[in-house]
Amino acid sequence: QVQLVQSGAEVKKPGSSVKVSCMASGRTLSSYSFSWVRQAPGQGLEWMGRITPMVGIANYAQRFQGRVTITADKSTSTAYMELSSLTSDDTAVYYCAVGPPDDLWGLGTLVTVSS
Amino acid sequence: DIQMTQSPSTLSASVGDRVTITCRASQSLSSWLAWYQQKPGKAPNLLIYKASTLESGVPSRFSGSGSGTEFNLTISSLQPDDFATYYCQHYSTYSRTFGQGTKVDIK
Repeated sequence: QVQLVQSGAEVKKPGSSVKVSCMASGRTLSSYSFSWVRQAPGQGLEWMGRITPMVGIANYAQRFQGRVTITADKSTSTAYMELSSLTSDDTAVYYCAVGPPDDLWGLGTLVTVSS
Repeated sequence: DIQMTQSPSTLSASVGDRVTITCRASQSLSSWLAWYQQKPGKAPNLLIYKASTLESGVPSRFSGSGSGTEFNLTISSLQPDDFATYYCQHYSTYSRTFGQGTKVDIK
């Protein structure tokens, strides 16, 4: 059974960057794409971007363009999301998901931005 | 970008009630719409995709309908486990957009 295993919680300073990983364990996902979704405390779900590891091209939500970089290593079925110029507004749980439709989700990675 | 608007934002209901949540898109989605359930502290769980296809393992009291710009999620008889927040999502090969969510709580 495939599971998405995300990296652990992070605490970052304002202005720094964070890189979160998401590995599909169990089997290789061939033509699926990884999406990244975040959820700030008490808020809704916000899609950030996606990548298909076999192709290697990422697409981003407009509001994150220039600040987020999504990459993937197809040999290990791992996707990465790097967010730069962090502010307290970036404090959130970051989820990876595989789809479409996105029927498999990681457990989430809490990123806290605090001075 | 496509905008997704859900209504209502909060819905108070009782066990056994039939409830319907609506999602409207700013442009036609064909049938590329999904519905998710999320409980506090948990990842979202896919309920419906392609507007009306029930995900494997999801109870049949959940159903989806609609196409184009207006979609509905209906729970035919609300159960205690169904009190949660529900999100619609437009999906395509290259992007996703979520609605703002509908919290279903106990009346």
